[in-house]
Amino acid sequence: AQTVTQSQPEMSVQEAETVTLSCTYDTSENNYYLFWYKQPPSRQMILVIRQEAYKQQNATENRFSVNFQKAAKSFSLKISDSQLGDTAMYFCAFIRGVEETSGSRLTFGEGTQLTVNP
Amino acid sequence: DSGVTQTPKHLITATGQRVTLRCSPRSGDLSVYWYQQSLDQGLQFLIQYYNGEERAKGNILERFSAQQFPDLHSELNLSSLELGDSALYFCASSVDGGEGTQYFGPGTRLLVL
Repeated sequence: AQTVTQSQPEMSVQEAETVTLSCTYDTSENNYYLFWYKQPPSRQMILVIRQEAYKQQNATENRFSVNFQKAAKSFSLKISDSQLGDTAMYFCAFIRGVEETSGSRLTFGEGTQLTVNP
Repeated sequence: DSGVTQTPKHLITATGQRVTLRCSPRSGDLSVYWYQQSLDQGLQFLIQYYNGEERAKGNILERFSAQQFPDLHSELNLSSLELGDSALYFCASSVDGGEGTQYFGPGTRLLVL
């Protein structure tokens, strides 16, 4: 079974600064995918970024980037130029690579509540 | 807007009752997932359907059941409701049944009194 751990229940950052959220995972799989989702006060789950384990290059989406360390099983999210709208709960998630028609599921961490202060 | 729709947005009911939550996946997605988010259990996977067939099952209670219809929409049925079933229920969809990115609907907030 896979586990995902987010050791920072809460974090805060000043507007325009950079913040890094940590995530570690445990798996015996070699083929898998990692995600960061954000959940703002509206409670909507919004995809932030996706990383394929077979890719060495770290994924980037605008102000969001990851530091994927496969050997260390670490997957941190860096938010640059933080904005007030980034205030949300951030969830790290894992899914194992499977056949297209096989069953699958996301395994989530406990979440990190990020507050961006003006 | 993810393209995944869920109805109703809110549901208040009493213990012992039965409710049905509905989900329509994004256009072209074949797979539907149901997740439960509660304060004490976090985000938990319940069940997955792919093109009408059950593909994966999580810690779904026997009082809960789901199905996916030929038009690919899905329903989650919750019966004999208990106070502890109060939670936010999410539906997500993906283009395939494997490692495809899952896009979430807005959720249904269930309150059991």
